[in-house]
Amino acid sequence: QVQLVQSGSELKKPGASVKVSCKASGYAFTNYAMTWVRQAPGQGLEWMGWINTNTGNPTYVQGFTGRFVFSLDTSVSTAYLQISSLKAEDTAVYYCARVAPAVGFDPWGQGTLVTVSS
Amino acid sequence: EIVLTQSPGTLSLSPGERGTLSCRASQSVTSSYLAWYQQKPGQAPRLLIYGASSRATGIPDRFSGSGSGTDFTLTISRLEPEDFAVYYCQQYGSSPYTFGQGTKVEIK
Repeated sequence: QVQLVQSGSELKKPGASVKVSCKASGYAFTNYAMTWVRQAPGQGLEWMGWINTNTGNPTYVQGFTGRFVFSLDTSVSTAYLQISSLKAEDTAVYYCARVAPAVGFDPWGQGTLVTVSS
Repeated sequence: EIVLTQSPGTLSLSPGERGTLSCRASQSVTSSYLAWYQQKPGQAPRLLIYGASSRATGIPDRFSGSGSGTDFTLTISRLEPEDFAVYYCQQYGSSPYTFGQGTKVEIK
């Protein structure tokens, strides 16, 4: 079955970096784009952007430029989200999801909690 | 950017009742690319409806979506205990794709 499995929770200090992974299985990885969504504690869903898994070209939504980097390792069907210069306000659950054309985001990874605290 | 406004913020209902959730867009949604997701506490969102009215794989037929243009509705015909959750609408026709703020369906 189609599945996205994300890396585990992270606790980081302000100013550090974090890299979250999202491993896909059950389908041809390069046939679908991958997207990232942030959910701050008790808040709604924020779309961060997406990455073309064929070309590796990322697209970032306003507000997620500069410190946020999407990348891939197609040899292991894995997408990555790296956040640098972490701030307390980056504390959130980060989800990856497969972009299904004309359908939306399906399925989603289980989420990775990133906590930024001194 | 298309802004999606969901109403009500919270819906208090009893099991077996009918639930009607609204999603209004600030401008017309391209090709009715409107999806609904369900999120339970501690879980990832799950796709329920896409293309405004098509049920995703494995979604029970008590869930139905309707609407076009700027006004969309998710209807849950008879609420089951497992349906109490937060529901988000999303438009994916125009970048940036945007989500509504969510409607919480709680047990009355």
